[in-house]
Amino acid sequence: EIVLTQSPGTLSLSPGERATLSCRASQSVSSNHLAWFQQKPGQAPRLLIYGASSRASGIPDRFSGTGSGTDFTLTISRLEPEDFAVYFCQQYGSSLTFGGGTTVEIK
Amino acid sequence: EVKLVESGGGLVQPGGSLRLSCAASGFIFSNYWMHWVRQAPGKGLVRVSHINVDGSTTSYADSVKGRFTISRDNAENTLYLQMNSLRAEDTAMYYCARAGLTAGGADYWGQGTLVTVS
Repeated sequence: EIVLTQSPGTLSLSPGERATLSCRASQSVSSNHLAWFQQKPGQAPRLLIYGASSRASGIPDRFSGTGSGTDFTLTISRLEPEDFAVYFCQQYGSSLTFGGGTTVEIK
Repeated sequence: EVKLVESGGGLVQPGGSLRLSCAASGFIFSNYWMHWVRQAPGKGLVRVSHINVDGSTTSYADSVKGRFTISRDNAENTLYLQMNSLRAEDTAMYYCARAGLTAGGADYWGQGTLVTVS
């Protein structure tokens, strides 16, 4: 099973700042089948990025995904107030596993 | 708009049973594999089970094998998870998710239903 480790656990930033979130896999993710989700309390997770770097429909271009193999990054170029949330990664190249999440909180 | 709405969670005693439902709308339900994913308090997400488009193929995490059964009713656009012999460690938020990405990755999720075994 591929284990996904996300870092940092919590990111304290101000609106307008850049957020960089990491997702590291214990082995290479097949075909870069790596997705990123945003989750807010009481809401369903929302798909942001799939295939490591493709934005899902309706997702603002301040969200971008990069990486391949075992190292992946989600970048939010300029944080908006609605971006403060939990973010988690999912790999679907070999079964389906998830990272532990990164909380982006207001500093 | 794709929508998934889970129901059926609640408080149950150890050894008891619950049946979760997931009502799907906004897409052709019978065209998609589906997942059940859970998150225990303070823990990460874990896929519990998944099912193919006609229900003929299912898979389970080792922790629930023999106790949980996934099924679907394509005429009613509903996914189910029958949970028997529940244990304290099954306490979690349970989500259904559509396998809409290549290779079965989850794309749309419901808001979840809470199962507490105590």
